[in-house]
Amino acid sequence: AQSVTQPDIHITVSEGASLELRCNYSYGATPYLFWYVQSPGQGLQLLLKYFSGDTLVQGIKGFEAEFKRSQSSFNLRKPSVHWSDAAEYFCAVGPSGTYKYIFGTGTRLKVLA
Amino acid sequence: GAGVSQSPSNKVTEKGKDVELRCDPISGHTALYWYRQSLGQGLEFLIYFQGNSAPDKSGLPSDRFSAERTGGSVSTLTIQRTQQEDSAVYLCASSPGRANNEQFFGPGTRLTVL
Repeated sequence: AQSVTQPDIHITVSEGASLELRCNYSYGATPYLFWYVQSPGQGLQLLLKYFSGDTLVQGIKGFEAEFKRSQSSFNLRKPSVHWSDAAEYFCAVGPSGTYKYIFGTGTRLKVLA
Repeated sequence: GAGVSQSPSNKVTEKGKDVELRCDPISGHTALYWYRQSLGQGLEFLIYFQGNSAPDKSGLPSDRFSAERTGGSVSTLTIQRTQQEDSAVYLCASSPGRANNEQFFGPGTRLTVL
């Protein structure tokens, strides 16, 4: 069965530090991969997506993610975190040719001033 | 342009009452999704519409839950005889309708069942 795992429930980083949020998926082929961010009281906003091609994907707000087929991972990174990045981050998998996403349980990011 | 809107933003109800949650998708988006987000959980898929049809209702947790979509636009999620375990944030999303399209999310309705 397809699944998405975000191993870190909470992460705390200092402002200006680098960030990596982990996402592992289970799927028989290359899926479509997404990272969304949810600020308090808001809906989810798409940060970036991977369909095919270059395995390093650039997104909005200075985020990037790297697809590693051998590790079934799609980790989200940012070189320097800003206080406004404090939010919950969701990784999602969309099996090719379908409309249905499978979401991870999320990682809540706290940023220290 | 306008994004996905949901109403009400918050709903408090008593156990056993019925509630209706509304979603207005982005104009022209043929696909519409409902999700449930419980505390500490990921997003749980409830139902998917393509136009006014719901090809996949597999995520509806019980027959107390139903949804409809009219005119290929507005959708209503109805929960009958609410239970405390129904308390959650209900999120609606829409997309242009092709497979694997980005889904655009509304702000959600926070439902509290007392």
